[in-house]
Amino acid sequence: EVVMTQSPATLSVSPGERATLSCRASQSVGNKLAWYQHKPGQAPRLLIYGASTRATGIPDRFSGSGSGTEFSLTITSLRSEDSALYFCQQYENWPPFTFAPGTKVEIK
Amino acid sequence: QVQLQESGPGVVKPWETLSLTCNVSGDSMSNGRNYFWAWIRQPPGKGLEWIGSIYFTGSTYYNLSLRGRFTISVDTSTNQFSLKVNSVTASDAAVYYCARHSAHINLDWFDTWGQGTLVTVSS
Repeated sequence: EVVMTQSPATLSVSPGERATLSCRASQSVGNKLAWYQHKPGQAPRLLIYGASTRATGIPDRFSGSGSGTEFSLTITSLRSEDSALYFCQQYENWPPFTFAPGTKVEIK
Repeated sequence: QVQLQESGPGVVKPWETLSLTCNVSGDSMSNGRNYFWAWIRQPPGKGLEWIGSIYFTGSTYYNLSLRGRFTISVDTSTNQFSLKVNSVTASDAAVYYCARHSAHINLDWFDTWGQGTLVTVSS
């Protein structure tokens, strides 16, 4: 099973600034990595797939990069609405699909 | 646009069977040959755990680490799929999500999720 980890656990950023989130896989997953945004009481929302491709309707303030075992999600020009939990998921080696615990992004 | 909505009892007693249903709207599951339908859960304070996925034909994949207490079924006539968990214990308390992912290799990210339903285990 591929173990997914993320850092930091919490990130506090001022509006307008940039946030960079990291995701690591215990073994190579190629570019089979997705990022999601999850706000309390809502359905998780797909942001990025294929490590760097934005899903439909996702603004270009969100960008993903990386391959193999190291990935990152960058959010530029942060807005209050970006406050959420962000988690990554690998789909290279399933079953099982595995998820990282997530990074909570707080807007100061 | 497809939407998913979970429903369930909210509270289940220890050692009883938990039954959850996911209603699919905006598309017919029997027409969705390109998709699997999945159950994922998140225990309090823990990360997401994939339980299993089902194709519209009834073919299933399960997370083998969950030791066989879970059964996923599909009913294309009602556009729903379901999860049964036998002999629940406190460790099964979680928010349960239903979700959809592609059936095509290398495209199998989760593109649609439900809002989740909270399950509490209590006598």
